[in-house]
Amino acid sequence: SQQGEEDPQALSIQEGENATMNCSYKTSINNLQWYRQNSGRGLVHLILIRSNEREKHSGRLRVTLDTSKKSSSLLITASRAADTASYFCATGSNSGNTPLVFGKGTRLSVIA
Amino acid sequence: GAVVSQHPSWVICKSGTSVKIECRSLDFQATTMFWYRQFPKQSLMLMATSNEGSKATYEQGVEKDKFLINHASLTLSTLTVTSAHPEDSSFYICSARDSRGQWNTEAFFGQGTRLTVV
Repeated sequence: SQQGEEDPQALSIQEGENATMNCSYKTSINNLQWYRQNSGRGLVHLILIRSNEREKHSGRLRVTLDTSKKSSSLLITASRAADTASYFCATGSNSGNTPLVFGKGTRLSVIA
Repeated sequence: GAVVSQHPSWVICKSGTSVKIECRSLDFQATTMFWYRQFPKQSLMLMATSNEGSKATYEQGVEKDKFLINHASLTLSTLTVTSAHPEDSSFYICSARDSRGQWNTEAFFGQGTRLTVV
């Protein structure tokens, strides 16, 4: 089953602009993670934010988490054509034995 | 970083034949691995949880006799699609997390396998 919903489902922006993707989830979580997938490839981990954190940065990425609203956002600043991919949020526990549950994803197109 | 290797990356098979997909954790041990299926422009749907030394746990609606999972060691899980049909054509991805790490909950993914059944 899928945990969350991302919006928008598709986003097209110009190079240099910022891209914001949102994710909502349904159940209580221990952490929320964002992944990137290039077409026809596996997933690459971008960033993990724990339930007791509100914001986290990694390079051009900024993730926020609002557990009261059960939502998270991923901001990519100064986007590049190479950022074109699908982005998924996933919720998980702190145990390595439980699977991640993925949202539906946002397809980002960055136009040069 | 940790690497999960999945093989083959693509395969074309005839209807009625079986296809085996391998998933290996290269530099960590994984008592549990996960198999996902992804249709075009859709998200990953969990198929089953592969447990080392015991039976896999399948999600509702996934036929365990059709999608055979074997997790014979701490670094290898295999998914066999038996008697494949065109509707089994899809992108299959495995994932593993280092089950020894309490705080390291990042999941690592294989490159995926594109299965086409003709």
